[in-house]
Amino acid sequence: NAGVTQTPKFQVLKTGQSMTLQCAQDMNHNSMYWYRQDPGMGLRLIYYSASEGTTDKGEVPNGYNVSRLNKREFSLRLESAAPSQTSVYFCASSRTSGIGADTQYFGPGTRLTVL
Amino acid sequence: AQSVTQLDSHVSVSEGTPVLLRCNYSSSYSPSLFWYVQHPNKGLQLLLKYTSAATLVKGINGFEAEFKKSETSFHLTKPSAHMSDAAEYFCVVSGVERTGGGNKLTFGTGTQLKVEL
Repeated sequence: NAGVTQTPKFQVLKTGQSMTLQCAQDMNHNSMYWYRQDPGMGLRLIYYSASEGTTDKGEVPNGYNVSRLNKREFSLRLESAAPSQTSVYFCASSRTSGIGADTQYFGPGTRLTVL
Repeated sequence: AQSVTQLDSHVSVSEGTPVLLRCNYSSSYSPSLFWYVQHPNKGLQLLLKYTSAATLVKGINGFEAEFKKSETSFHLTKPSAHMSDAAEYFCVVSGVERTGGGNKLTFGTGTQLKVEL
């Protein structure tokens, strides 16, 4: 049981390049999330998927797209990377997306640098 | 809208002394509250959560937190710090902000805990 896995762990891009961050969970969770973490700002939600087949914007969606490929996988794509997207990206999942206290489980993160 | 404020960006304690990390929240709904810990270059790990049951919540590694509605606080404590507790701690509030919205979390900006010999 690996929980939430993310690839790659590290990535360096040049401005304008594109890339996709991969996330997978093996806990049979319905909901998945992408966050970015910047110094002094906590984690901010980029996009989330409440259930398979649905996606919705979070707090900071500009410059990103997502795909909920199936129940297990949720990818984040940067079409044209910018230095402002230098950050640590975390994927998370939870059993449901309803009101309540479902715990979100986090992956180990992807450290992205855009030059 | 919901929000969370961690009152100290850095806390330094000596090993064996108590730990207090302060958190205040704001929420239009009955909130769920969490504390997560992040060790260097690692992902976030859940320490404990409050879900409107007992107001004193016990978590892993000897941590606990008390929900005080009148003070809108959810401070994290531990009686005796250990070197392995050095990490960043995030207070988090959870709620639904619109119909059909997901179980979105709002994170505090984090408190870096340093434990000295």
